[in-house]
Amino acid sequence: GESVGLHLPTLSVQEGDNSIINCAYSNSASDYFIWYKQESGKGPQFIIDIRSNMDKRQGQRVTVLLNKTVKHLSLQIAATQPGDSAVYFCAERETSGSRLTFGEGTQLTVNP
Amino acid sequence: GAVVSQHPSWVICKSGTSVKIECRSLDFQATTMFWYRQFPKQSLMLMATSNEGSKATYEQGVEKDKFLINHASLTLSTLTVTSAHPEDSSFYICSASPASGNQETQYFGPGTRLLVL
Repeated sequence: GESVGLHLPTLSVQEGDNSIINCAYSNSASDYFIWYKQESGKGPQFIIDIRSNMDKRQGQRVTVLLNKTVKHLSLQIAATQPGDSAVYFCAERETSGSRLTFGEGTQLTVNP
Repeated sequence: GAVVSQHPSWVICKSGTSVKIECRSLDFQATTMFWYRQFPKQSLMLMATSNEGSKATYEQGVEKDKFLINHASLTLSTLTVTSAHPEDSSFYICSASPASGNQETQYFGPGTRLLVL
């Protein structure tokens, strides 16, 4: 079936470095994508979203890039901080649907 | 804004009992609410989608008679795990989509950890 997957299950970076978390999706009918951050024992927290008619969107310290040609999504975090340590999930939504399909998640660890 | 709460945050119950979990959107009205379960080190798995005033739509493999969902108002949805068993122990998370504004985004609650003994 359709799925959303991640290339790297874990990522360790040094404090102050930039982080890049990748996500591959297979459903060409998806038109809306979201990145969530989940800290241990908590619910997912919305970070940033992007629609399929865009290829880049920036937020505060975060940028999401969408490459529809290769069905690839990435989240870039600038000047990564220890508080950024968490599991990051990408999620996709099918056109005209309401349900989100979540990827497997990437554990980001920021070393001081 | 866009705050979703869940109650209780954790619950321990005996096998065979029923447990009710509440999900509330505190500062917005939610047309649609979603219920997920998450096992350790795994992703979120959608259990059901509920729209205010109508029956929930369950995902394949989720027993509707075991996981009862009620969405009586635009700010409250409840999930009742009936006759709970140890294999139902999990982290249950709800989310809500705003009735106005960015209706595509889902805002998540903090989760409820259920342990069935």
